[in-house]
Amino acid sequence: DAMVIQNPRYQVTQFGKPVTLSCSQTLNHNVMYWYQQKSSQAPKLLFHYYDKDFNNEADTPDNFQSRRPNTSFCFLDIRSPGLGDAAMYLCATSRDLWGLGGDRGKNIQYFGAGTRLSVL
Amino acid sequence: AQRVTQPEKLLSVFKGAPVELKCNYSYSGSPELFWYVQYSRQRLQLLLRHISRESIKGFTADLNKGETSFHLKKPFAQEEDSAMYYCALSLPFNKFYFGSGTKLNVKP
Repeated sequence: DAMVIQNPRYQVTQFGKPVTLSCSQTLNHNVMYWYQQKSSQAPKLLFHYYDKDFNNEADTPDNFQSRRPNTSFCFLDIRSPGLGDAAMYLCATSRDLWGLGGDRGKNIQYFGAGTRLSVL
Repeated sequence: AQRVTQPEKLLSVFKGAPVELKCNYSYSGSPELFWYVQYSRQRLQLLLRHISRESIKGFTADLNKGETSFHLKKPFAQEEDSAMYYCALSLPFNKFYFGSGTKLNVKP
């Protein structure tokens, strides 16, 4: 059974029209991540939540926002999608050990199947 | 600057041949490295971790700090190994960097 669920699997939006991608988890992990992956490129970390603490990557455009209303759900909001934002968006979770003084090497990420976003 | 480099986009081998997928990283501290795999129509999943020094599905990976490498190896490739393989580097504060991936194609 899927433990990290992303909805929808495919999303089509119009240029400039706000869009929200959804991620939910049944693992009760305290960390949730959003990645952007363009064709033939590496998944690129946009931001992550450590519990309710939001951690943005320095080079993530302001156009990308995130919300985490509770442990199970995390949303990716793209305020004004451009053609360059068409990509696969991956959600991942982990049970963070680093913040507890634990070992980064045990910090396994569990991925959703992704949402493929098209911008027309 | 790219922190994880996988120089080969595609690697094709015959069944039974040895496989080595290359990964180099850039980090001056103590790295924590992973290999993730994505089989056709499946999600990304962990294959193995540097810290565990384990062999999973016949794959091993050794961290070479001198060469800043974490190459993935298997002595005898199987057709079911065909997949996309990503090397990943974990840094403090839940930072993760992935390589661009190598597609492994094992031919019968």
